[in-house]
Amino acid sequence: GIQVEQSPPDLILQEGANSTLRCNFSDSVNNLQWFHQNPWGQLINLFYIPSGTKQNGRLSATTVATERYSLLYISSSQTTDSGVYFCAVRIGSNFGNEKLTFGTGTRLTIIP
Amino acid sequence: ETGVTQTPRHLVMGMTNKKSLKCEQHLGHNAMYWYKQSAKKPLELMFVYSLEERVENNSVPSRFSPECPNSSHLFLHLHTLQPEDSALYLCASSPSRAWDYGYTFGSGTRLTVV
Repeated sequence: GIQVEQSPPDLILQEGANSTLRCNFSDSVNNLQWFHQNPWGQLINLFYIPSGTKQNGRLSATTVATERYSLLYISSSQTTDSGVYFCAVRIGSNFGNEKLTFGTGTRLTIIP
Repeated sequence: ETGVTQTPRHLVMGMTNKKSLKCEQHLGHNAMYWYKQSAKKPLELMFVYSLEERVENNSVPSRFSPECPNSSHLFLHLHTLQPEDSALYLCASSPSRAWDYGYTFGSGTRLTVV
């Protein structure tokens, strides 16, 4: 099956710093999402980005599908950004084949 | 709230108990999913339902039994679980054409088996 690798596994930053999280995947995909899991376990959808670049406030993401990677940028980090960031990909285009495969995540800790 | 509601948020059960997890979505989605998140492991897909039909069962033990009575509700019935089944169980939904949009997750049920 498809492999999804995220780096770094852990990241500790001072409040206000910028960060880049990376997701590499081993096969062509037709869906890629970035999620933030908060300390209470909830997964929040940040971006649906199978290709191209999107921005939402201090967060932006870029996926280069031909090179099989995606980057999540967080600028001016805040303590509320702490948590685990997951990349998830989907392959297949048949109806009923919508499962996502998740990476192992990057645990981000923002220190005040 | 994301539009996907899971209950209960926390559950402690003995190995001989029977309990059910509930997931409800009011987003008009046609596909629903159960994922399991154990410590130090990636999220694992358990079951997929599309238009109320189970389309995937990822070799999940029979002590986990899903039920999808309609496109808005999904249950996970639990019986004779083992301590290693303790985990965060996440429900998600998506439009049937998920590649046009994406998944929405609930807040999860944190299950402890004692």
